[in-house]
Amino acid sequence: DAGITQSPRHKVTETGTPVTLRCHQTENHRYMYWYRQDPGHGLRLIHYSYGVKDTDKGEVSDGYSVSRSKTEDFLLTLESATSSQTSVYFCAISVGLAGADEQFFGPGTRLTVL
Amino acid sequence: AQTVTQSQPEMSVQEAETVTLSCTYDTSESDYYLFWYKQPPSRQMILVIRQEAYKQQNATENRFSVNFQKAAKSFSLKISDSQLGDAAMYFCAFDSGTYKYIFGTGTRLKVLA
Repeated sequence: DAGITQSPRHKVTETGTPVTLRCHQTENHRYMYWYRQDPGHGLRLIHYSYGVKDTDKGEVSDGYSVSRSKTEDFLLTLESATSSQTSVYFCAISVGLAGADEQFFGPGTRLTVL
Repeated sequence: AQTVTQSQPEMSVQEAETVTLSCTYDTSESDYYLFWYKQPPSRQMILVIRQEAYKQQNATENRFSVNFQKAAKSFSLKISDSQLGDAAMYFCAFDSGTYKYIFGTGTRLKVLA
């Protein structure tokens, strides 16, 4: 257990509403990630962070933004949720030596956009 | 672009038997890392085994071992003495040292009693 929590764990929202998912870690790891998991696609990287206020885009970043104002928190925001963003969202942290990282994952958030 | 391919959407194995899950990848890098993750119905992602590309010896963790063929860009997972608790989705992942993983689409493993 790498001390990663996600909130909320489940959320149902309507198209067009903003949604923010929170990832919290207790061990001050530098790298944090947001993935989405969809059937037939595995896990795809949305955004990642390599330090406070340092973020970069992943493979499927359109429609998502992130913020990291503290080491322990990494927020994922859907500015205007769409049905295509219905998914399971995972936060992860990277632990280990440079270039030899191992990623630990949070429990996931199931988001449904109606 | 780097890619990871898991060509077996679903596999079945009899309890106590051995099963091999396939993974191939494409990269021009010479140094990289490969991983197998397990995702049981609880949805939690659990690292099963990892392999550094510079190591020729195949990684082993108890009943789990890999067959790493660098030239063929193949990284298969062998599960020996399969147990009911091994039933899960298994994901292969690649990291070229950039701290960003690329995942395959997964293989669902069913274990038959």
